[in-house]
Amino acid sequence: AQTVTQSQPEMSVQEAETVTLSCTYDTSESNYYLFWYKQPPSRQMILVIRQEAYKQQNATENRFSVNFQKAAKSFSLKISDSQLGDTAMYFCASDSGNTPLVFGKGTRLSVIA
Amino acid sequence: KAGVTQTPRYLIKTRGQQVTLSCSPISGHRSVSWYQQTPGQGLQFLFEYFSETQRNKGNFPGRFSGRQFSNSRSEMNVSTLELGDSALYLCASSERPSTDTQYFGPGTRLTVL
Repeated sequence: AQTVTQSQPEMSVQEAETVTLSCTYDTSESNYYLFWYKQPPSRQMILVIRQEAYKQQNATENRFSVNFQKAAKSFSLKISDSQLGDTAMYFCASDSGNTPLVFGKGTRLSVIA
Repeated sequence: KAGVTQTPRYLIKTRGQQVTLSCSPISGHRSVSWYQQTPGQGLQFLFEYFSETQRNKGNFPGRFSGRQFSNSRSEMNVSTLELGDSALYLCASSERPSTDTQYFGPGTRLTVL
């Protein structure tokens, strides 16, 4: 069974600073996908970034990038130049294709002005 | 394209009643998944539908059921409501089941009194 672990329940960062959210996962599948989703206080879940496990290159989307360490089964999210609008719950998720999307418990990020 | 829509957005029911929630996926998306989100359990998978067929089902009692129509719209039903069913129910759609990125709706907030 797939598992996803987010060890940081809450984090805070000053506006314009950089923050890294941690995620580890466990899967027996060789082909899988990893995601970071953001859920602002309004509750709409939004995709932040997606990584295919077979790709060695780390995914990047503007200020958001990941550090994908396949051997260590680690998938951390780095947010650069943090903005007030980044305040949200961040969920790490894993999908192997044969099993449904599995989410971590989430990290509540607060960006402080 | 319009995003995933869910109706109703808020619902208050009493124990023992039943409820039906509706989800309209993004146009062209044929896969719909449902999740239950609670503060204690986080995001838990309920079921996944593709082309009117249930592909996967989470570990929920038989009181939880769902279906998908030929236009890809989906409904989920909870019968004999319990207090513990109070949660945010999220629907997500994707072009194909699993591995494809899922796009989430705003959710239906169900309160059981």
